[in-house]
Amino acid sequence: DTEVTQTPKHLVMGMTNKKSLKCEQHMGHRAMYWYKQKAKKPPELMFVYSYEKLSINESVPSRFSPECPNSSLLNLHLHALQPEDSALYLCASSQERMNTEAFFGQGTRLTVV
Amino acid sequence: GQNIDQPTEMTATEGAIVQINCTYQTSGFNGLFWYQQHAGEAPTFLSYNVLDGLEEKGRFSSFLSRSKGYSYLLLKELQMKDSASYLCAAPYGGSQGNLIFGKGTKLSVKP
Repeated sequence: DTEVTQTPKHLVMGMTNKKSLKCEQHMGHRAMYWYKQKAKKPPELMFVYSYEKLSINESVPSRFSPECPNSSLLNLHLHALQPEDSALYLCASSQERMNTEAFFGQGTRLTVV
Repeated sequence: GQNIDQPTEMTATEGAIVQINCTYQTSGFNGLFWYQQHAGEAPTFLSYNVLDGLEEKGRFSSFLSRSKGYSYLLLKELQMKDSASYLCAAPYGGSQGNLIFGKGTKLSVKP
């Protein structure tokens, strides 16, 4: 199993809503990531979890709150988002060693209205 | 600082060969990745180079010159399904998944 599964695939939310994005992998990877990708732009790293601990937060606004309940799951909690937060949110995972690639999920297409 | 440059768009003909270049400046070097991304889909891994030289994988090959800060992705026998964005990426920090991406090269393959 070399899949990273993200749910939901699409999400439309209002600016006052609270929602969560979910990511799951069963490859035994101990590093998991959230990326944000705007249209026609490359992915940009948001958060990194290593062994279920937050190791990198790339100055992401607090309206995005990550959570890693266990080594297979990664959540991104969303609250009071702005329309400019509309983007494709990609989850990825990798082994915690060099010379290995990251595997990406299909992403959640988020629209904030 | 980190900077990765690649051409924005390229067009090639089905059956032909195309080379997509990437130049990079990174503080520290932990290798260079190439990913393919079809519109609206996840990036998928193509290749990883950490030593100088050419790595061949079927129709796709990737080359690295660390002294020149330069890499290229070579696609042979182009097929229509190769129309996609090709992303050059370098890891930074402690994990290989902490990636800084180039802006991506959108390749259009025409009949």
